[in-house]
Amino acid sequence: QKEVEQDPGPLSVPEGAIVSLNCTYSNSAFQYFMWYRQYSRKGPELLMYTYSSGNKEDGRFTAQVDKSSKYISLFIRDSQPSDSATYLCAMSGENAGNMLTFGGGTRLMVKP
Amino acid sequence: DSGVTQTPKHLITATGQRVTLRCSPRSGDLSVYWYQQSLDQGLQFLIQYYNGEERAKGNILERFSAQQFPDLHSELNLSSLELGDSALYFCASSVTSGRADTQYFGPGTRLTVL
Repeated sequence: QKEVEQDPGPLSVPEGAIVSLNCTYSNSAFQYFMWYRQYSRKGPELLMYTYSSGNKEDGRFTAQVDKSSKYISLFIRDSQPSDSATYLCAMSGENAGNMLTFGGGTRLMVKP
Repeated sequence: DSGVTQTPKHLITATGQRVTLRCSPRSGDLSVYWYQQSLDQGLQFLIQYYNGEERAKGNILERFSAQQFPDLHSELNLSSLELGDSALYFCASSVTSGRADTQYFGPGTRLTVL
């Protein structure tokens, strides 16, 4: 079993929908949680960064972390066709330097 | 554009060969990370360098090695290449090697081993 699990999708939604993307993890040492967006054949781009449990909002994006459930989420409001990409969750812990452990990614398609 | 550059963009080579991938971090970043992204394994951490010294090692094969030079650019050397080494190789950089440091990814090098 992988340390970080993520539904690969694809997830197809109409433009304007609210999108919910999720990851579960097994390593309780993870303290830092990130969401990256990756367009086809491009490098991952950091979207959101949170520390420990709680919520963080940035424009149309909201990240939630529930450490008690080992579950993190990314919500995208008013989704746009330009949001079509693969979304990767990533985590790091206190005792692992700064190496990131990634989920497998969820492919999102927003249809006009 | 993240400010991290990687060359070459594409590399096609044969089994048994050796290749070198190059990465230049963002201006001011001292830490460089290498990741491999394949269809079956996803994005996996290989190795980290900080200011010229190895800082952390992940699931990096013995056939692979890396170094960071005084000007802070880094090279990833892959030898005795196998078909399974075909993947996207990403370099990322951060200011320090701290736990809370944000990593910025380059555009990647696509390696195809025939």
